[in-house]
Amino acid sequence: AQSVTQLDSQVPVFEEAPVELRCNYSSSVSVYLFWYVQYPNQGLQLLLKYLSGSTLVKGINGFEAEFNKSQTSFHLRKPSVHISDTAEYFCAVITDGLPKLVFGQGTRLTINP
Amino acid sequence: DGGITQSPKYLFRKEGQNVTLSCEQNLNHDAMYWYRQDPGQGLRLIYYSQIVNDFQKGDIAEGYSVSREKKESFPLTVTSAQKNPTAFYLCASTVTGTSGGTTDTQYFGPGTRLTVL
Repeated sequence: AQSVTQLDSQVPVFEEAPVELRCNYSSSVSVYLFWYVQYPNQGLQLLLKYLSGSTLVKGINGFEAEFNKSQTSFHLRKPSVHISDTAEYFCAVITDGLPKLVFGQGTRLTINP
Repeated sequence: DGGITQSPKYLFRKEGQNVTLSCEQNLNHDAMYWYRQDPGQGLRLIYYSQIVNDFQKGDIAEGYSVSREKKESFPLTVTSAQKNPTAFYLCASTVTGTSGGTTDTQYFGPGTRLTVL
């Protein structure tokens, strides 16, 4: 069965510093990859998704992610973070033909001034 | 203003009681989902429905029940058989309910926080 691992449960960074949130998935069969963001006590909002084509995907709020099939990874990056990026970030994978989205455990991003 | 609404935002339940969480969408989406969120565990799928009058168990369906009588509504009942129901519950929907809609984005509601007293 597909599984998703987010290697860091918490990531503290200073404002305007770069950040990378790591995500690895287990199965290399046809997959589609997503990053969602959750602000406190709210639902999830899509940041970006990889379906096919260019392995570098750009999303909202200046975030981007790179799909690496050989390493089964889909790490999220931002070159310069802002206080408003403080939130929990979830990586998710769906296997082609199956309707179930599998989520990682989440990474809490904390921005220090 | 299209979207997904969940009510109530906060819900308190006594042990042994059944409670029903509401999820309504006006996006004309075919598929709807219920997730449970616990700290440090991400989201886990409870039930999903790809079409009206049909639904499937997810990974943690025990102690929960659902119905899908209308396209726009997918209520979740947390029964007294659910041993540890305190959690944050999220409803989501996608445009297409068939396997061809695998790449569709899931849109989420604002969630209901359930606490057992």
